[in-house]
Amino acid sequence: SYELSQPPSVSVSPGQTASITCSGDRLGNKYASWYQHKPGQSPVLVIHHDSQRPSGIPERFSGSNSGNTATLTISGTQAVDEADYYCQAWDSSTGVFGAGTKVTVL
Amino acid sequence: QVQLVQSGAEIKKPGASVRVSCKASGFTFNTYDIIWVRQAPGQGLEWVGLMSPHSGNTGFALKFQGRVTLTRDTSLTTAYMELSRLKSEDTAVYFCAREAFYGSGNGMDVWGQGTTVTVSS
Repeated sequence: SYELSQPPSVSVSPGQTASITCSGDRLGNKYASWYQHKPGQSPVLVIHHDSQRPSGIPERFSGSNSGNTATLTISGTQAVDEADYYCQAWDSSTGVFGAGTKVTVL
Repeated sequence: QVQLVQSGAEIKKPGASVRVSCKASGFTFNTYDIIWVRQAPGQGLEWVGLMSPHSGNTGFALKFQGRVTLTRDTSLTTAYMELSRLKSEDTAVYFCAREAFYGSGNGMDVWGQGTTVTVSS
């Protein structure tokens, strides 16, 4: 079965840039989506189609996808961005999530 | 407004079944696929399955095949997930979400509030 790998955690200082990677076999040939998930809340879509931001998502969130790796970048990270982030892709008609990356804003 | 509203928390015994509903409003039900995702305590998001309300086509993660049934009532704009032969490991928050044309990269842009299912003897 298809698998996506993410680092368990990323730490970033306020105002700095956080980069979260998501690796999968030929992931660049699929579309990657990214979700922000805070405790007790429902997940929020922050990136779709590899690099597109839904309406209402701040410009500091950006994405890319090439080769075997998709990347979510948070520029000028704010305390409110502290959350778990999950990448997601489709393998035929089956969805796959990465294990998630906890972003800590120190 | 556009929303998915799920049914309330459930407590079930091992071996029983549970059905969670997901009521859609504010958008055309048949034009979006409904995806089910769960999060067990302390764990990450786990993809469970999908249903295309228009066609009734379904897809499931391998580990749930044979135990999960996804249905919909288009007249009620409601999707349902039934999980049978419950185990303690099925204790989780179950979410429904919508995606336009799964696999096309649109992403799950609207989520239900989540339904806590607790399996305990």
